[in-house]
Amino acid sequence: AQSVSQHNHHVILSEAASLELGCNYSYGGTVNLFWYVQYPGQHLQLLLKYFSGDPLVKGIKGFEAEFIKSKFSFNLRKPSVQWSDTAEYFCAVNAANAGNMLTFGGGTRLMVKP
Amino acid sequence: EAGVTQSPTHLIKTRGQQATLRCSPISGHTSVYWYQQALGLGLQFLLWYDEGEERNRGNFPPRFSGRQFPNYSSELNVNALELEDSALYLCASSLAPIGLAGGTDTQYFGPGTRLTVL
Repeated sequence: AQSVSQHNHHVILSEAASLELGCNYSYGGTVNLFWYVQYPGQHLQLLLKYFSGDPLVKGIKGFEAEFIKSKFSFNLRKPSVQWSDTAEYFCAVNAANAGNMLTFGGGTRLMVKP
Repeated sequence: EAGVTQSPTHLIKTRGQQATLRCSPISGHTSVYWYQQALGLGLQFLLWYDEGEERNRGNFPPRFSGRQFPNYSSELNVNALELEDSALYLCASSLAPIGLAGGTDTQYFGPGTRLTVL
């Protein structure tokens, strides 16, 4: 069965700091990869996704992620965070033959101090 | 464009009762998914419906069931409620799946129903 690991459970940054959140998955076949964000009091929103092609994908609000197949990783990055980025971030993986289910990582709570 | 909607927002039941949760997908989406977000357990896949049929099921007991109606809306039923069923239940929808070999299209999530079992 596929699994997804987000090693950083809590991250605290100051505004303008750079962000990198790790995501690793265990599945050797074709995958579709997603990052979702949940702002306080709001529902899960799609941040970005990778299906195929350029392994560096850009999402909303200045976020980007890089798919490194050899490392089974899909890390999320942002060069300069803002207070409004305070949220919980979830990495999710869909294995191509897994019946459309998303397997989520445990989430990373990001707090940005103004 | 309206997003995924869910009702009710909150639901309080006692152990042994049944709960019914409802979901309306984004217009044009035919696939509906249910996930459970329980404290300490993260987001776990429950069920996937497409074109009125159950297509996939997560590792949950049979007392978790559901259905999809001709208008693509969906119900999740939880029978014989247990205390550990207390969780946020999220519904998501997507366009028709690419196919089992191609994987899911993007899933868009609703706000969830908070189920509390006393």
